[in-house]
This record gives sequence, structure tokens and C-alpha cells, in this order.
Amino acid sequence: KNQVEQSPQSLIILEGKNCTLQCNYTVSPFSNLRWYKQDTGRGPVSLTIMTFSENTKSNGRYTATLDADTKQSSLHITASQLSDSASYICVVSFTGGGNKLTFGTGTQLKVEL
Amino acid sequence: ETGVTQTPRHLVMGMTNKKSLKCEQHLGHNAMYWYKQSAKKPLELMFVYSLEERVENNSVPSRFSPECPNSSHLFLHLHTLQPEDSALYLCASSLGQGEWDEQYFGPGTRLTVT
Repeated sequence: KNQVEQSPQSLIILEGKNCTLQCNYTVSPFSNLRWYKQDTGRGPVSLTIMTFSENTKSNGRYTATLDADTKQSSLHITASQLSDSASYICVVSFTGGGNKLTFGTGTQLKVEL
Repeated sequence: ETGVTQTPRHLVMGMTNKKSLKCEQHLGHNAMYWYKQSAKKPLELMFVYSLEERVENNSVPSRFSPECPNSSHLFLHLHTLQPEDSALYLCASSLGQGEWDEQYFGPGTRLTVT
């Protein structure tokens, strides 16, 4: 069964600090992996998309890594800001699955002063 | 928003009521989706429409009835709902149905069933 697990479930950090969110997946055959950011009361917005041949992809202060061998991904946030407070969702697609996405439950990040 | 809009943003309804959720996309996409997002659960795909034809129905109870009159509009008609149906209902759209087609989400409708 295709699954995506994320850790931690929630995280509180001080503004200006860095943090790393983890994603493990069992989706097969793997096609691509996305990280979404979902602000409270809003829909998810894509941050990055990676395929198995890409190890790292950045989007501003967000850097995603992918290890297709161990089926793990991480999202690193540098110099966090209050506006980074949101849920971060890892989403995996499988080859031949078309638009069927396997979603993680998300990591709820809160950035405090 | 100018991408994918949803109305209403919040809805409280009794179990005997009938209501409808509306989604509109302004992106020229061909596929539209309904998702359910419950607390601490992954997003659940409910329905997929491609060029106004339903192509996916993920064992959703019949008290949820989708309608797609054209490629820009999607409705979810609700009747005799249960309290466990309380959730955030998200609409999304994509240009195509491939695994590389980005899905763009609306802000969602927060539904509370009393």
C-alpha cells in the first residue's frame, strides 16, 4: 500500500532559526515528490517538485532533498520567518498513477518571536 | 484569489439540510477535483472530473453528489450529512491528468455538520 509518513507531527521554533522536516514514503513505482505549504484556512501551495534523478531543489529559503534509494525526503527551512508558520505536506506520485497523489498528514510548524 | 475560488468559505448545516459547495477555476484547466481534509488525516480524493466527465469516484457516500457543468465550474451537493463529514473540503484543478500536472488548490470550504 502506498504511504507517506512525515515527522515530526508538529514543531515550534524561534524566528531566525533553521529547521528540517522529514518525509518517508513507500510509493512504488516512484515518479515524483512534492512539498506543499498550507497556511491556516488556505489550500496547499506547491513549493518544490523532484524526481528520482534530483537530489536537491531550492525555492528561496526552502530546500528539499531526496534520496530515492532510501525513499526519504527532507525540507529544510533557513532563517525562519513568522510567515513560515503553516502545515507542510509531502506528496508522492507513482508512475502510471496519473493524477492520483499520495499525501502525508503534514508537519505543523509554528515560528515564534 | 484569481486561480481557484471556492464558496462559501464556511458552512454550518444540520443533518437534514441540503447545501452546495461551489468551485471555480480561472486557469483554463481541464481537470477538477474534490478533496476532503480531516484533522490529522491525509487529504482524501473524492471525485475527479476531466473535461466535464467524472473519471474517478473514490467510494464516496451518495450523500455527496458532484456536478461539473463545464470545465471551469465544479459543485458538491450535500444532503443528509453526518457529523463525521465535518471537514475542510478542497477543490483543485490541473491542466491535464498526468502525474506531472500540477494541481492548484482553492482555499477550501470549512464544513461543520451539527
